[in-house]
Amino acid sequence: GAVVSQHPSWVICKSGTSVKIECRSLDFQATTMFWYRQFPKQSLMLMATSNEGSKATYEQGVEKDKFLINHASLTLSTLTVTSAHPEDSSFYICSASDRNYGTSGGGETQYFGPGTRLLVL
Amino acid sequence: QKEVEQNSGPLSVPEGAIASLNCTYSDRVSQSFFWYRQYSGKSPELIMSIYSNGDKEDGRFTAQLNKASQYVSLLIRDSQPSDSATYLCAAGRSYIPTFGRGTSLIVHP
Repeated sequence: GAVVSQHPSWVICKSGTSVKIECRSLDFQATTMFWYRQFPKQSLMLMATSNEGSKATYEQGVEKDKFLINHASLTLSTLTVTSAHPEDSSFYICSASDRNYGTSGGGETQYFGPGTRLLVL
Repeated sequence: QKEVEQNSGPLSVPEGAIASLNCTYSDRVSQSFFWYRQYSGKSPELIMSIYSNGDKEDGRFTAQLNKASQYVSLLIRDSQPSDSATYLCAAGRSYIPTFGRGTSLIVHP
């Protein structure tokens, strides 16, 4: 259980184009989804948190107009990188949690998708 | 500011040995603690979660939590080369845990 998928796994695009990444929870309803970015040999950087049906909460320093997040249903969240530039090239990882799922003691466990590697030329 | 600290390593252990990974956290009211494993180029995968003081065992893995010392550790028994990865510690009191930078573990044959 607790499977999260991401699509695409790889994307190469030209500078100035927009890229949409999908994140789906396959076997549970995700009350909350998270988007992370990870540069080579760096730690996970939380970009934003989204709850189904409400606006995403962005971390400090993350441009909400550049990284558009839509959490339209309990199983799908999308991240759109608008007007992508080479410095946006990174490994984008989503995760999902369900407060009603998980081991005893809590439902806060985050389950990660396989990630999307973005290369902007 | 909530912080989770880990030694970046690398921690190098011989095959078959016990690998001990440590983590400290600053938020005293943290209630949930997690260990994730991340292979190079891959996303993190959950190894264990722990919520109460003491030890929690799952196969070759044992998580240890000491809330008084704000310390959580992960022991890997009978380490295998396939355990070579970065191990991320996470701690939180809400549904958004804070991640550490991770400790790189190398298990050499």
